[in-house]
Amino acid sequence: DAMVIQNPRYQVTQFGKPVTLSCSQTLNHNVMYWYQQKSSQAPKLLFHYYDKDFNNEADTPDNFQSRRPNTSFCFLDIRSPGLGDAAMYLCATSRATSGNQHEQYFGPGTRLTVT
Amino acid sequence: DQQVKQNSPSLSVQEGRISILNCDYTNSMFDYFLWYKKYPAEGPTFLISISSIKDKNEDGRFTVFLNKSAKHLSLHIVPSQPGDSAVYFCAASDSGGYQKVTFGTGTKLQVIP
Repeated sequence: DAMVIQNPRYQVTQFGKPVTLSCSQTLNHNVMYWYQQKSSQAPKLLFHYYDKDFNNEADTPDNFQSRRPNTSFCFLDIRSPGLGDAAMYLCATSRATSGNQHEQYFGPGTRLTVT
Repeated sequence: DQQVKQNSPSLSVQEGRISILNCDYTNSMFDYFLWYKKYPAEGPTFLISISSIKDKNEDGRFTVFLNKSAKHLSLHIVPSQPGDSAVYFCAASDSGGYQKVTFGTGTKLQVIP
């Protein structure tokens, strides 16, 4: 089945130790997103790729970086995780065509713990 | 500034009755609205959507109503089933070519058998 896969599902890292979260998709969608979601809050968009074009949200901290080496994969790098970065990180994809371009397909998320 | 608001964090409904989940928005540029459903340990899944040119969209047991003048939309589930117990997120976007969707904080629905 076509899907969005996130690895690992649970990640524990130490304060200040770089960590990378990964996302892959078999949907062949040209747009990929990274969201941060903290408890009882709305998913917050960090950035998205439209094909190879990177779009950063204005309030996304510099501590967060992203890479998209090809259509299928996208990575979230947190250079120096702080305790406030503990959250669920959701990857999503969408197909940038007319009609249902707003519909996004989500992975199961990676729960990041910072110790 | 929360542009999409779901003011009810939780809702309990008896099985077989109607569930009504509400959502308000402040950005008048929003012209497309979506509802997502999220089970524990899973990502949100798309449920139903509505364009601003419509005031109602129906898909089986799920109906979304849009009141543009009030900047309000609602999701009706009838009849409610225990498997509908989940967190429901309201989301909105504008069709300015940008793929960005703004989410609400979610409403946790519990359907009691």
